[in-house]
Amino acid sequence: GAGVSQTPSNKVTEKGKYVELRCDPISGHTALYWYRQSLGQGPEFLIYFQGTGAADDSGLPNDRFFAVRPEGSVSTLKIQRTERGDSAVYLCASKTDQNTGELFFGEGSRLTVL
Amino acid sequence: AQKVTQAQTEISVVEKEDVTLDCVYETRDTTYYLFWYKQPPSGELVFLIRRNSFDEQNEISGRYSWNFQKSTSSFNFTITASQVVDSAVYFCALSEAGYSTLTFGKGTMLLVSP
Repeated sequence: GAGVSQTPSNKVTEKGKYVELRCDPISGHTALYWYRQSLGQGPEFLIYFQGTGAADDSGLPNDRFFAVRPEGSVSTLKIQRTERGDSAVYLCASKTDQNTGELFFGEGSRLTVL
Repeated sequence: AQKVTQAQTEISVVEKEDVTLDCVYETRDTTYYLFWYKQPPSGELVFLIRRNSFDEQNEISGRYSWNFQKSTSSFNFTITASQVVDSAVYFCALSEAGYSTLTFGKGTMLLVSP
């Protein structure tokens, strides 16, 4: 596809469950980012990948959050033992190069933890 | 640490009015980048502009213009002759050189009524 694709667009789960959110970046983009946007707030950085490796995961809030990008393309954000406070829109973005270029965002995955 | 402040939470205007969205930033770096993004109801963040800290020239793109003033650490965004389609949340963001993640402000919701 032409843009960053995220699935699912909406996910409702119960407290304590495990959740996976998928991001398919723009083809050829080596840098991939995950951000979290809570209601009424700006996006907050979680983690970014350069190729297959996590170049910076300092934004992950705790060890329940983990992300992978095994082949340097699609990335999965994994949340274990979900809590109500994890409810937010999870945004993925990609760009061609780590330090230059425009960042293209997907439409996000809205996670609701009941 | 870097910080972006968008003091205006919500602005309401009538179509054809001009509107300015304020952005004030804090950073200790001398080299940095400033951005504006638009987030329509669909949720996808749309890139509008990127400026580097060495380029203080104001920029105009159609009905959009940006006023960058290092002396006041501000990067304000003006929409001339606003239209209903301009209704969205607008985010200002900052990236320090060599550290490619973005720090976003909390956003300003712009409502343009007919």
